[in-house]
Amino acid sequence: DQQVKQNSPSLSVQEGRISILNCDYTNSMFDYFLWYKKYPAEGPTFLISISSIKDKNEDGRFTVFLNKSAKHLSLHIVPSQPGDSAVYFCAASFQTSGSRLTFGEGTQLTVNP
Amino acid sequence: NAGVTQTPKFRILKIGQSMTLQCTQDMNHNYMYWYRQDPGMGLKLIYYSVGAGITDKGEVPNGYNVSRSTTEDFPLRLELAAPSQTSVYFCASSYSLGQANYGYTFGSGTRLTVV
Repeated sequence: DQQVKQNSPSLSVQEGRISILNCDYTNSMFDYFLWYKKYPAEGPTFLISISSIKDKNEDGRFTVFLNKSAKHLSLHIVPSQPGDSAVYFCAASFQTSGSRLTFGEGTQLTVNP
Repeated sequence: NAGVTQTPKFRILKIGQSMTLQCTQDMNHNYMYWYRQDPGMGLKLIYYSVGAGITDKGEVPNGYNVSRSTTEDFPLRLELAAPSQTSVYFCASSYSLGQANYGYTFGSGTRLTVV
């Protein structure tokens, strides 16, 4: 049972445009959501997070939106840069799981110059 | 500051062989985790530990064992390697529950092939 799903395996955008990566979840108990970025041959690195008490969190070019009623979150990257090309994982956790994260399948973002 | 260090980076095993994947962190994190990443499948939790001497199963523990004798080290043991264990393995660590940022620090991974 995949509780966190990223339905788009890949996304390609032009440099300077907006990248929107989507993530859906099924467990309404999730109360904290994170995005990780992964380059080839490296481990994932933390990018941005959002608590379920918020609907938006912004950090520079990266903004995460949370729609609890739709059980949906998205990551916006504006403007996209070639260095943003990587696999992006969304992840979720809830208090009774401790700090364990449940990850989505990942989306490969390619930003073309 | 090294963060999370995994060794080896690559390994080829024959079916039935055993090996230990090493993981060390120098951030004094209480929580440590082992994940495997299969193509198109995301990261699946194998085992985790909330502190020295305490370990618990994750989603896919079969075929693996762990131990946590110190805060720093969290080795993953494969006793009888099978082709289904061909994967990329990531070790991670984090602060204990209650921190505002639940972000994990990941190692760079071990690519394991079982033939």
